[in-house]
Amino acid sequence: NAGVTQTPKFRVLKTGQSMTLLCAQDMNHEYMYWYRQDPGMGLRLIHYSVGEGTTAKGEVPDGYNVSRLKKQNFLLGLESAAPSQTSVYFCASSYSLRANTQYFGPGTRLTVL
Amino acid sequence: DAKTTQPTSMDCAEGRAANLPCNHSTISGNEYVYWYRQIHSQGPQYIIHGLKNNETNEMASLIITEDRKSSTLILPHATLRDTAVYYCIVRVVGNAGNMLTFGGGTRLMVKP
Repeated sequence: NAGVTQTPKFRVLKTGQSMTLLCAQDMNHEYMYWYRQDPGMGLRLIHYSVGEGTTAKGEVPDGYNVSRLKKQNFLLGLESAAPSQTSVYFCASSYSLRANTQYFGPGTRLTVL
Repeated sequence: DAKTTQPTSMDCAEGRAANLPCNHSTISGNEYVYWYRQIHSQGPQYIIHGLKNNETNEMASLIITEDRKSSTLILPHATLRDTAVYYCIVRVVGNAGNMLTFGGGTRLMVKP
């Protein structure tokens, strides 16, 4: 039982490049989330999903897109990276909307030059 | 979600109990108290949660006052690996979007 995994762990992009971050969970959770954490700050929700094939915007969705084609995977895409998107990205999952117990992945450290 | 207040930092000797307080004086009747921690460079980790009764699991104990305006997270035998930022979060179960809002938290330093 690996829990929540994220790939890649680190990535450096140039402004304007695109990339996809992959989150996978093996706990059969319905709900998945993408957060970003900037230095010295708390987490901010980017997008979330309440089930396979559904996604919704969070607090800071601009510049990001997401897809949930399979229940266990939640992808975060940056179509045209900007330096303001330099951050640590965390994926999380939870069993249900009634559960505020979220399980987090180890994070992806992204730098946009 | 109710606002929480935590001390900015605390020290604890290794092997001793760490008692982390949290004030949530505006908590409403259907809000739970959750505790998470974030060890440096890692993702946040769920610790424990409760509504009004004291709770205990393999990681910690949660003591909630009778009026529910404050709570204390207890790590019974702190180790160096417990050095982390601890977040107290008050939330309604089933909140749309289920976004966790992490405030400043308490930076716990466990010292040998």
